[in-house]
Amino acid sequence: KQEVTQIPAALSVPEGENLVLNCSFTDSAIYNLQWFRQDPGKGLTSLLLIQSSQREQTSGRLNASLDKSSGRSTLYIAASQPGDSATYLCAVMAEYGNKLVFGAGTILRVKS
Amino acid sequence: GAGVSQSPRYKVAKRGQDVALRCDPISGHVSLFWYQQALGQGPEFLTYFQNEAQLDKSGLPSDRFFAERPEGSVSTLKIQRTQQEDSAVYLCASSPWTSGSQNEQFFGPGTRLTVL
Repeated sequence: KQEVTQIPAALSVPEGENLVLNCSFTDSAIYNLQWFRQDPGKGLTSLLLIQSSQREQTSGRLNASLDKSSGRSTLYIAASQPGDSATYLCAVMAEYGNKLVFGAGTILRVKS
Repeated sequence: GAGVSQSPRYKVAKRGQDVALRCDPISGHVSLFWYQQALGQGPEFLTYFQNEAQLDKSGLPSDRFFAERPEGSVSTLKIQRTQQEDSAVYLCASSPWTSGSQNEQFFGPGTRLTVL
């Protein structure tokens, strides 16, 4: 059974810092990995999707890497801003079109 | 519509009541998923439809939970005889099923169910 773990569970940083969120998964046979953002009381917003054949994806200040063989992904946020404060969720898809298995998330607070 | 919509956004039920949660997926999306998110946890898979066919219901926690998508578009998740442990946010997601697509899932805002 696929299990996804996210470290740290919570993180508080001053504005402007670069930071790294970690995600690990137990079964390396994945189709893709997605990073989501969830604001309080809201649904999930997709940030980045990495196919199993890819090593990384970038969008603005966000960069996500994937090391499938070791079962790890990292989300790098450059020059953090208070607006980045949210819960960040990592999820893996085992097969094309199938369900996502989520981690418990990292709660990020960026202080101004 | 532009995105996945869910209704109601909030639902309070007394223990033992039946509830029905609705999901309107993105137009044309073939796949539809339901997830349950307990407080402080990540979403957990409940069930999956491809068009009107329910292909996977392995995540439904008990036979009190029932989902349908009769015309391959709108879906309803029904919970009978609600219990306090059913209190959670119920998220719906849809995705296209096109050759070569990334098959990204797009999520609705969720329905927060509180069972008293």
